Amino acid sequence: NAGVMQNPRHLVRRRGQEARLRCSPMKGHSHVYWYRQLPEEGLKFMVYLQKENIIDESGMPKERFSAEFPKEGPSILRIQQVVRGDSAAYFCASSPSGQGHEQYFGPGTRLTVT
Amino acid sequence: GENVEQHPSTLSVQEGDSAVIKCTYSDSASNYFPWYKQELGKRPQLIIDIRSNVGEKKDQRIAVTLNKTAKHFSLHITETQPEDSAVYFCAATGRRALTFGSGTRLQVQP
Repeated sequence: NAGVMQNPRHLVRRRGQEARLRCSPMKGHSHVYWYRQLPEEGLKFMVYLQKENIIDESGMPKERFSAEFPKEGPSILRIQQVVRGDSAAYFCASSPSGQGHEQYFGPGTRLTVT
Repeated sequence: GENVEQHPSTLSVQEGDSAVIKCTYSDSASNYFPWYKQELGKRPQLIIDIRSNVGEKKDQRIAVTLNKTAKHFSLHITETQPEDSAVYFCAATGRRALTFGSGTRLQVQP
């Protein structure tokens, strides 16, 4: 049973470009969460999605960031017009149910903006 | 929203000693409290969790205690080994998703 998959593992973008990060949850999991981790810091919640629905996006910056989890395919976190401050590790996690259930993390995507 | 505070930020122990990490949370509705271990450059890994209807849970050398009245929970690692060296994060389920503490860097000296 494959774990949570994320790709790419490393992504380099120049300022102003777009970054697309993908997350495939564990088999049987329909809940996906995205977190951002700056160097030497903790994990900050960004967005919580179920298939075709955004449940909670209270941690998402108001501009340039969006997320989706379509009926088919992986969840995607999209960052438009990236800036240096977007450089971080982005982790997704999945769970079989919502609140109160264990979340399992993917390996993360390390975004570097040059 | 939920706020989770974690102490200490760094902890150094001798191999074989015990290590204790403490967290407090603010939202009395939180009912699930996991602990994650993160090695350098790796993903956070769930090591133990506890739900609000339980006061203590143990798994080999790792135990977690929860005091709902005081809104704090702790991770206890006994007989520490060098491979326990990592950053440990506590978390609490708020209304929607996990809120993480700021992490504790544990260094086990051989």
